[in-house]
Amino acid sequence: QKEVEQDPGPLSVPEGAIVSLNCTYSNSAFQYFMWYRQYSRKGPELLMYTYSSGNKEDGRFTAQVDKSSKYISLFIRDSQPSDSATYLCAMSANTGKLIFGQGTTLQVKP
Amino acid sequence: DGGITQSPKYLFRKEGQNVTLSCEQNLNHDAMYWYRQDPGQGLRLIYYSQIVNDFQKGDIAEGYSVSREKKESFPLTVTSAQKNPTAFYLCASSIGQRAQYFGPGTRLLVL
Repeated sequence: QKEVEQDPGPLSVPEGAIVSLNCTYSNSAFQYFMWYRQYSRKGPELLMYTYSSGNKEDGRFTAQVDKSSKYISLFIRDSQPSDSATYLCAMSANTGKLIFGQGTTLQVKP
Repeated sequence: DGGITQSPKYLFRKEGQNVTLSCEQNLNHDAMYWYRQDPGQGLRLIYYSQIVNDFQKGDIAEGYSVSREKKESFPLTVTSAQKNPTAFYLCASSIGQRAQYFGPGTRLLVL
């Protein structure tokens, strides 16, 4: 079993939809949680960074961490075609090493 | 502008050849990392360095080597011992245990 599980998709939604992306994990020592967006043939771009449990909002993006369920989510409101990309979750147990999910490919259709 | 630069964007390797990928950052970050990304797979850690003149092997270090002589620079050499080097290579940096910031990547292809 992988430490971090993420459904690779692809996930296709109409423009304007609310998108929910999720990851589950098995290591209860993880404390730092991140979401990255990666466009094709580009480096990952940090979208959200959270510590421990709770919610964090930044514009159209909301990150949620539920440590009791070992489950993290990224919500995208009013999705746009420019949001079409691969979304990677990542987490760390304060060791400096990030463990990444496989990535979910999202397509937002106009 | 602060950031991470990687060069070249594309690199071609011949059989038995060693090639070196460059990674430079001007973010004043202490830690630097090298990842390999293959289609349909997540990022796999090759090597990382948390301080100058020190580095550790990641999950897939065989066939690769690194150096960290300067805080700003963390070059990766893909040696002839790496039998399947075709991949997208990503360099990242961070302040301590915080989030990592990535460069634009180098795509390595075998001739």
